[in-house]
Amino acid sequence: EVHLLESGGGLVQPGGSLRLSCAASGFTFSSYAMNWVRQTPGKGLEWVSGISSSGDSTYYADSVKGRFTISRDNSKKTLYLQMNSLRAEDTAVYYCAKDLYTFGREADYWGQGTLVTVSS
Amino acid sequence: QSALTQPASVSGSPGQSITISCTGTSSDVGGYDYVSWYQQYPGKAPKLMISGVSNRPSGVSNRFSGSKSGNTASLTISGLQAEDEADYYCSSYSSTSTLVFGGGTKLTVL
Repeated sequence: EVHLLESGGGLVQPGGSLRLSCAASGFTFSSYAMNWVRQTPGKGLEWVSGISSSGDSTYYADSVKGRFTISRDNSKKTLYLQMNSLRAEDTAVYYCAKDLYTFGREADYWGQGTLVTVSS
Repeated sequence: QSALTQPASVSGSPGQSITISCTGTSSDVGGYDYVSWYQQYPGKAPKLMISGVSNRPSGVSNRFSGSKSGNTASLTISGLQAEDEADYYCSSYSSTSTLVFGGGTKLTVL
């Protein structure tokens, strides 16, 4: 059974940094692309970033480009999202989502999410 | 990276069929068959209901079906049940190698 467990969320001041992790199990992690998707409380879903199965290719939404960095450690079956220069508008629940393909195309399984709150 | 357009809400009575539309452009929905639909209950993670425009993952009821025409994809739920009341989101791969989501549709079962 596919299982994704996010961690690392919390309260951070504007301009601060946070690193999210997503521990994966139940599938061959190194064979699939992974994504980060966020959801502002009471609002819709926004794709944030994606990474290919090998980690060689990374992609970002314009809203986070230059501030967020996605990475993965296939030996540890873990996905990361380094978030710098955080803004109030980055406040959201962050989900990690497994992709159906080796390059990001469609997310299938999702974790339960971790809440990031950016506030002074 | 503009969001795909979905109706904010739809409703139907038990047993009826409803369709939720998802309109994009030739750079996303119209250009690729990587269109997915997700069901989300309040406080829960999204669940994949349809992938590849019309493919139903194992375990998803055959009351859910997907299709696409031009730049618009659609999710149809037949034989509406109370448990179908949830938020539904579409997503598509785009020409900028990113994913784009719709704004979401709240389904109310009357």
